[in-house]
Amino acid sequence: AQSVTQPDIHITVSEGASLELRCNYSYGATPYLFWYVQSPGQGLQLLLKYFSGDTLVQGIKGFEAEFKRSQSSFNLRKPSVHWSDAAEYFCAVGGYGGSQGNLIFGKGTKLSVKP
Amino acid sequence: DAGITQSPRYKITETGRQVTLMCHQTWSHSYMFWYRQDLGHGLRLIYYSAAADITDKGEVPDGYVVSRSKTENFPLTLESATRSQTSVYFCASSEHTGTGNTEAFFGQGTRLTVV
Repeated sequence: AQSVTQPDIHITVSEGASLELRCNYSYGATPYLFWYVQSPGQGLQLLLKYFSGDTLVQGIKGFEAEFKRSQSSFNLRKPSVHWSDAAEYFCAVGGYGGSQGNLIFGKGTKLSVKP
Repeated sequence: DAGITQSPRYKITETGRQVTLMCHQTWSHSYMFWYRQDLGHGLRLIYYSAAADITDKGEVPDGYVVSRSKTENFPLTLESATRSQTSVYFCASSEHTGTGNTEAFFGQGTRLTVV
């Protein structure tokens, strides 16, 4: 069955520190991978996406993610976290042959930033 | 305004009442989705639609009804609201291509409380 796992429910990092949010997927076809961010009381905003090609993708707000097929992972990274990055982050997978045409989401990782 | 809009943003209703959440998109995307977001569950798909007059169940469809007479609108109706349907509801749209998903675009959400 198709699924997305975000192992960390809540992560706290200090402002200026580096960040890595983990995402593992299970998908029978070629995956299309996404990271979304949700600020409190807001909808989801796309940070970045991977469809094909270079496995390191750049997104908005200084985020990047690396697709590793051998590990079925798509971890999100940022070299220096800002207080405004505090939010909830969702990894999602979709792709050709995927059921229903929708994206399958992980349960999210809440990021807190310490001053 | 361009984009995807949900109304109302907040709604309080009583158990047993019928309530309809509205969703409108201006991109003419073929796919539209309804998700509910609950603590500990992430986003769960309620219903989706691949085109006008084509709808199908998602992961948690019980107690909900949808319709899609026009491409741009995708209302979600709770026929007889229950307290377990208290949640934040997100509408999304995407253009699913022949080779896979493009990203989904989300509305701001409707916070529904059933008392």
